[in-house]
Amino acid sequence: QKEVEQNSGPLSVPEGAIASLNCTYSDRGSQSFFWYRQYSGKSPELIMFIYSNGDKEDGRFTAQLNKASQYVSLLIRDSQPSDSATYLCAVNPSNQAGTALIFGKGTTLSVSS
Amino acid sequence: DTGVSQDPRHKITKRGQNVTFRCDPISEHNRLYWYRQTLGQGPEFLTYFQNEAQLEKSRLLSDRFSAERPKGSFSTLEIQRTEQGDSAMYLCASSSGRINQPQHFGDGTRLSIL
Repeated sequence: QKEVEQNSGPLSVPEGAIASLNCTYSDRGSQSFFWYRQYSGKSPELIMFIYSNGDKEDGRFTAQLNKASQYVSLLIRDSQPSDSATYLCAVNPSNQAGTALIFGKGTTLSVSS
Repeated sequence: DTGVSQDPRHKITKRGQNVTFRCDPISEHNRLYWYRQTLGQGPEFLTYFQNEAQLEKSRLLSDRFSAERPKGSFSTLEIQRTEQGDSAMYLCASSSGRINQPQHFGDGTRLSIL
């Protein structure tokens, strides 16, 4: 069974620090990887996606992918209290366009001011 | 681009009743997905469409669940004879269908079964 694993947390960091969120996946054939942010009671909001090995940066966010280790991470620099949310890692397990995503259970991040 | 729209936002019903949810995807997206999310879990895939064709259904989608996308635009998800275990957030997402393109979610419909 294809799985996506995340540490449920909570991960607590002080304001201004770097938050590091990690995700592993079981299907070596997975092609694309997504990070969603979800505030309590709200729906998932796309933060970043990555499909090539290495780093991808967007503002304060950096996604890192290592397909050999089946590992994807999200770094949040200069963390703000407004970043406090659950971060969902999602994986497209196929090389076909537009198939269903497999989600992890999410990591809860708490940024204290 | 008005985003993915779902209706209603909340639905409270008694066990045994039928409920129907609607999803309007982003206009240029031909792929539409339904997921279900319960507390403390990530979204779980239910089914998806390319245009009007239903391409995949999860084993989570029991025979009490049915989804349609008759004209390849909006979609409906119906649950018949609701049970307590159906209480969840039902999420709709859409994508362009091109490889590696992300799915964008609507605000969801929260279903509570009394």
